[in-house]
Parts: sequence; structure tokens; C-alpha cells
Amino acid sequence: DAGVTQSPTHLIKTRGQQVTLRCSPKSGHDTVSWYQQALGQGPQFIFQYYEEEERQRGNFPDRFSGHQFPNYSSELNVNALLLGDSALYLCASSSASGANVLTFGAGSRLTVL
Amino acid sequence: KQEVTQIPAALSVPEGENLVLNCSFTDSAIYNLQWFRQDPGKGLTSLLLIQSSQREQTSGRLNASLDKSSGRSTLYIAASQPGDSATYLCASSVQGSSNTGKLIFGQGTTLQVKP
Repeated sequence: DAGVTQSPTHLIKTRGQQVTLRCSPKSGHDTVSWYQQALGQGPQFIFQYYEEEERQRGNFPDRFSGHQFPNYSSELNVNALLLGDSALYLCASSSASGANVLTFGAGSRLTVL
Repeated sequence: KQEVTQIPAALSVPEGENLVLNCSFTDSAIYNLQWFRQDPGKGLTSLLLIQSSQREQTSGRLNASLDKSSGRSTLYIAASQPGDSATYLCASSVQGSSNTGKLIFGQGTTLQVKP
């Protein structure tokens, strides 16, 4: 049973570029949450998608956007990249009836030069 | 606004020692509190989840406690092993976000267990 799958695992971009990160949730999960983890810090909640809609959002600018597809997979898009966007981006999936038990993926490491 | 703090930021102990990691939170109206493990450059592995109505949870050599009145949780690791070396993160889920997946994380405690 595959857990949460994220791609790509590593990528390098330059300032001003755009990036798309992808996440496939664990089998049986219908909800996807995205987190940003800067080096040496705890993860910070970006947003969550359920039923193809953004359900809750953290304190991130509109440059961060997302999408959820009918098969529950999700994308995180970041526009106009800044150096400060360099981080590990974590995807977590859960079941809407699962009492907030999250399964995390291994993350996508983004470096902005 | 919920804030989660973990002390110490780093800890080094000899193999076999029992140890306690601390987590404090400012808003006692939590839905649950979770402890995660993170190996370098990797994702998070859930260790223990304590619901707001519970006082503790145990899994093997790990025991987590929750005291909402004081805004504190502890993770106790018995008979530590080098394989326990990792960063340990605690996270709270506040009431009203029971199914939104919004966790507030501490900054983590990086543990090194020396052989």
C-alpha cells in the first residue's frame, strides 16, 4: 500500500520563476494538506484541499496556490519565486473522517537561486 | 493564536539513557497533540497522537503525556538507542480545525544518541 508520494524530490529554480509540486495521497485518503518547512524550523501550514476546493489557508501570500484533482491528487504552485521560498515542501493526506490523522510524504526540496 | 515551543532545541545523550522531550503550547483549546519523528532530509513519521480527552499514549519505548491545563506535553523515550537519533516535532491541532489538517508545529528537538 503506497503512502503519500511527492514529486519531484529535488529541484532548483531561479528568482522570479514558477514551480509546480505534485502529491498523490495515501490510498483511501481524500484530503491533502501542504506544509512549508524552512531549514531548522517546524513545518508551517500552507493550505488544505478537500473535494477539489481549498478548505483552509495559512498565512501565505497569493503567490502560493493549489489544486486538487478528482482522483484526490494535488498540486502546489508557487509563482514569482523568492529566495525565501527555498524550503522542504511537505504534503500530508488524511481522510475527512479520520480524526486529523495525517500521513506525510517525503517532501520536495526546493532551492531558489 | 496558537504557539508551540520545544525545549531543548538539541540534545545529546549516551546510549541506554532515558530522556524527556518537552513541548509547550499557548492555547489549551486543542483538539489533539501529535509527536512526529523526522530523519534528516526526510518527511515526518507519526509517533503518537493524544486526543484532548486523553492524558497519555504509549507505543513501545515511547510514552507521550498531555496536560492541557498547563499547556504542556512530554515525550519520554526509554532506553535510548542510536537509531533514535532524529528530530522530534510536536504539533497541536486546535479546536475548530478538527478535520482541516492544520497542525501548528514546534521547531523540534534534534536528538543524538551516542553509542
